[in-house]
Amino acid sequence: QITLKESGPTLVKPTQTLTLTCTFSGLSLSTSGVGVGWIRQPPGKALEWLAVIYWNDDKRYSPSLKSRLTITKDTSKNQVVLTMTNMDPVDTATYYCAHIPTTVTRLFYMDVWGKGTTVTVSS
Amino acid sequence: QSVLTQPPSASGTPGQRVTISCSGSSSNIGSNTVNWYQQLPGTAPKLLIYSNNQRPSGVPDRFSGSKSGTSASLAITGLQSEDEADYYCAAWDDSLNGPVVFGGGTKLTVL
Repeated sequence: QITLKESGPTLVKPTQTLTLTCTFSGLSLSTSGVGVGWIRQPPGKALEWLAVIYWNDDKRYSPSLKSRLTITKDTSKNQVVLTMTNMDPVDTATYYCAHIPTTVTRLFYMDVWGKGTTVTVSS
Repeated sequence: QSVLTQPPSASGTPGQRVTISCSGSSSNIGSNTVNWYQQLPGTAPKLLIYSNNQRPSGVPDRFSGSKSGTSASLAITGLQSEDEADYYCAAWDDSLNGPVVFGGGTKLTVL
């Protein structure tokens, strides 16, 4: 059974850097074909894709946020870390990580999600 | 504004059939598979349909998906009160919009 759990600060100040950690079990990011992604959802709004990292360290980012995002993995700790620089109040959202069971992009989907962590950006 | 277009709301009475549409373009739905996620109030999204029409284990067969050209649809038959949720379509996008695009979500109300 795959589980994922997001962790990080609940409150950050504008211009600060946000660091979120996704800790998972039941999967290994050293296994061929596996990926972990990040998605966020501002209060009352739609889901927004952020980034994905695959077992082979291939990374993809949202074009609109690419300059601010960095995704890394620590296979030994079963963790994926997302950093977002220069935080702004519009970045206030619930941030989710999710498991991607395929590297075939045209078949891309997220089959298991974490419960999410809420981040508020305010001074 | 979302890359994939969904109606903001839909409704039906218990037992009815409802459909939710998702419109995209050749760079996303037109060339990649569509997935649907269900988000019950106050919870994380859950995969409902993948690869256009495949149901993960545990998803009732009341839920079905289809795709034609650059559009996709989610159908729910035998509507139940517990189906009241937000529904999102998503797909890989081969253009600069990508790599993954979502619809704006459809809030389904069971009357």
